[in-house]
Amino acid sequence: DGGITQSPKYLFRKEGQNVTLSCEQNLNHDAMYWYRQDPGQGLRLIYYSQIVNDFQKGDIAEGYSVSREKKESFPLTVTSAQKNPTAFYLCASSRGLSYEQYFGPGTRLTVT
Amino acid sequence: QKEVEQNSGPLSVPEGAIASLNCTYSDRGSQSFFWYRQYSGKSPELIMFIYSNGDKEDGRFTAQLNKASQYVSLLIRDSQPSDSATYLCAVNGDSGGSNYKLTFGKGTLLTVNP
Repeated sequence: DGGITQSPKYLFRKEGQNVTLSCEQNLNHDAMYWYRQDPGQGLRLIYYSQIVNDFQKGDIAEGYSVSREKKESFPLTVTSAQKNPTAFYLCASSRGLSYEQYFGPGTRLTVT
Repeated sequence: QKEVEQNSGPLSVPEGAIASLNCTYSDRGSQSFFWYRQYSGKSPELIMFIYSNGDKEDGRFTAQLNKASQYVSLLIRDSQPSDSATYLCAVNGDSGGSNYKLTFGKGTLLTVNP
């Protein structure tokens, strides 16, 4: 089955710790994205990547980092510099930047 | 700053009725328009996309786009309780030529009553 996987589904961390969220896709999509969703809010773009070894900041990149070493993988690190990291994190992919995006199941991160 | 506006709802319709969801956007240069369905606690699922003015039908769903008035709507015919979810409108492309960014509305909560 083609799709996007994210792991883990739930993640709990103590404040001050970095944490890495996994995103893998087997759709052969070139573009990948990270969003966060907070209750009552729309999705906000954190980072996106058009091709391997290239990525760009979105609207709320501060406190986050990404890498794109393989076409299939786009991990997101939430660093201790992110002031409000507790959120629902969604990874998406598309054939290219202007095409429809498909979402993975999400990772719910709680930092206490 | 691009904006996408949706009525937060909740929109409540009886089973079998037509549900009409509306979305307006601020950037006249927007090129692509998407509707996602999001069940509580789940990730968004793409249900429709539309690029040209007019109507696009897919099963019980119809997307309508009016670029002159800068609105896009989603009609759900023969609504079912399983359609109860939050519907997100998303708009891509801007007049500056950067097509990467999907700007999402905050969503409309639809409840279909049996």
